Amino acid sequence: NAGVIQTPRHKVTGKGQEATLWCEPISGHSAVFWYRQTIVQGLEFLTYFRNQAPIDDSGMPKERFSAQMPNQSHSTLKIQSTQPQDSAVYLCASSLGRLGGPQDTQYFGPGTRLLVL
Amino acid sequence: AQSVTQPDARVTVSEGASLQLRCKYSSSVTPYLFWYVQYPRQGLQLLLKYYSGDPVVQGVNGFEAEFSKSNSSFHLRKASVHWSDSAVYFCAVSSITGNTRKLIFGLGTTLQVQP
Repeated sequence: NAGVIQTPRHKVTGKGQEATLWCEPISGHSAVFWYRQTIVQGLEFLTYFRNQAPIDDSGMPKERFSAQMPNQSHSTLKIQSTQPQDSAVYLCASSLGRLGGPQDTQYFGPGTRLLVL
Repeated sequence: AQSVTQPDARVTVSEGASLQLRCKYSSSVTPYLFWYVQYPRQGLQLLLKYYSGDPVVQGVNGFEAEFSKSNSSFHLRKASVHWSDSAVYFCAVSSITGNTRKLIFGLGTTLQVQP
């Protein structure tokens, strides 16, 4: 079991450029979550897919951020026109996706550290 | 709305000493409760979780936590810490109702174990 895989591990972009972050969930997991971690705000929920369908995007900034899950083996988080305040560690997690009980446990990837200059 | 408070931003203990990291939650119903640990430049690793039943749950590496509904708490404990336990510890809650399973995290407690 390789765990949740996130690529790239580090990304540096210039202000105004686009950044795409990739997440490969644990095989057999049907739920994928994205979180953002900063020193000031801590860990914040961004969005959640189950069986590739968007379920909850209540944490996503309304502009410039989008997420997709085109197939069960990967999800992407795209940030358009990146700004310095987007600098953060973006964490992806996956779970079995069965509502209720231990099956809901989320397992996290190592994160992508995004730096916007 | 759910929330989590970890009142201690930093805790320093000596190696071999016992440890308690505090976590208080706010929720209209008993949520699922978790403790995660984060080592430098790494993702979050699950230490333990509480869903129901016995309020004392055992986790990895000798950690345990006790759920208290009356105190809305889920404190983490370890009988004897090791220098390798130095890390940031996060308490989190997840809703048990509705369609979302997002985690709400506390701000974390940095644990420093002194030799």
